[in-house]
Amino acid sequence: QVHLVESGGGLVKPGGSLRLSCAASGFTFTDYYMSWIRQAPGKGLEWLSYISSNGDIIQYADSVKGRFTISRDNAKNSLYLQMYSLRAEDTAVYYCARETRDRRTDYWGQGTLVTVSS
Amino acid sequence: EIVLTQSPGTLSLSPGERATLSCRASQSVNSNYLAWYQQKPGQAPRLLVYGASSRATGIPDRFSGSGFGTDFTLTISRLEPEDFAVYYCQQYGSSPRTFGQGTKVEIK
Repeated sequence: QVHLVESGGGLVKPGGSLRLSCAASGFTFTDYYMSWIRQAPGKGLEWLSYISSNGDIIQYADSVKGRFTISRDNAKNSLYLQMYSLRAEDTAVYYCARETRDRRTDYWGQGTLVTVSS
Repeated sequence: EIVLTQSPGTLSLSPGERATLSCRASQSVNSNYLAWYQQKPGQAPRLLVYGASSRATGIPDRFSGSGFGTDFTLTISRLEPEDFAVYYCQQYGSSPRTFGQGTKVEIK
């Protein structure tokens, strides 16, 4: 059974940093691309980034390029999102998600809330 | 970047009725890599349809997807009480991945 559990969210001041983690279980982590997707309160879904199974291919949305860094530790079955220079508009629930071979997103975690406020 | 426009924004229907949701892309979606998700309040999205018309594992056959190129449709043949939710389309054929803004299916 696929299980994705995000952690690391919380309240941070504008300009601050935060690192999100996603613990994966129930599947062979090294077989899958992984991604981060967020949802601002009461808004729609926004794709942020994906990373290939061995970490050599990474893409970002323009809205976070240069401020966010995605990474993974295959030995720990974990995905990360390092966020810098946080802004009020980064306030959202952040979801970790799995991508299949044909790149569809088939499983999502329950999300972790990040609030950027002074 | 491919922009996805969903319509209508809100669909007010009764249980047992048919729902037809539209997703239009600003340019052709590579390989028809278009997915539909259902999201209920406080929950993560759930994959319903991928490749424009393939149902995901465990999804009831009242959900069906169709379309090609730039115009896609999700149809719910007979609405069940648990189907009232927000539905999003997403293209994953090119980067950046993009989502539509969502269609809310509410009880009339």
